[in-house]
Amino acid sequence: AQSVTQLDSHVSVSEGTPVLLRCNYSSSYSPSLFWYVQHPNKGLQLLLKYTSAATLVKGINGFEAEFKKSETSFHLTKPSAHMSDAAEYFCVVSDSNYQLIWGAGTKLIIKP
Amino acid sequence: NAGVTQTPKFQVLKTGQSMTLQCAQDMNHEYMSWYRQDPGMGLRLIHYSVGAGITDQGEVPNGYNVSRSTTEDFPLRLLSAAPSQTSVYFCASSYHQGRGYTFGSGTRLTVV
Repeated sequence: AQSVTQLDSHVSVSEGTPVLLRCNYSSSYSPSLFWYVQHPNKGLQLLLKYTSAATLVKGINGFEAEFKKSETSFHLTKPSAHMSDAAEYFCVVSDSNYQLIWGAGTKLIIKP
Repeated sequence: NAGVTQTPKFQVLKTGQSMTLQCAQDMNHEYMSWYRQDPGMGLRLIHYSVGAGITDQGEVPNGYNVSRSTTEDFPLRLLSAAPSQTSVYFCASSYHQGRGYTFGSGTRLTVV
């Protein structure tokens, strides 16, 4: 069965420094992987998705993620954090029935 | 604006009451789904539909019913509300299972 583990429940960085949000997955086949962002009291927005094309995926707002099959990871990065990036981020895998399996989320805190 | 519309945004129910959460999309998406989001957890799939007239259960279907009479609408019915159904509910749609999903802004439900 597919599963997703987000390794940090909270990540705190200073504005202007790099962001790394870690995600490991398990899947018995080549998965589709997504990152979603949820700003406080808002809905969910798709940041980026991997669907077996290029392993380095670029998303919106300067975020990108790299699919590493050997490490079963799909970490989300951004070179320089902005105050508006403060939100909760979800790593998601699509299972063999195309259902979405969600990680528990990582809350990103940006310090001024 | 194209997208997924959920109503109501907030609702308080008494234990045992029934109600319907509405979801409508105008993007001609075949795939629609309902999720609940609880603190410290990722989203969990309640029910989904791959097209008009076709629905199926997700991970946590008990206490909920759905129907899909049109492509546009996918209402979620709570048959007899319980405090354990206090949650934020999200409706999502996609042109294909496993692809990027568009989410509604959510319904915050409290059962007292």
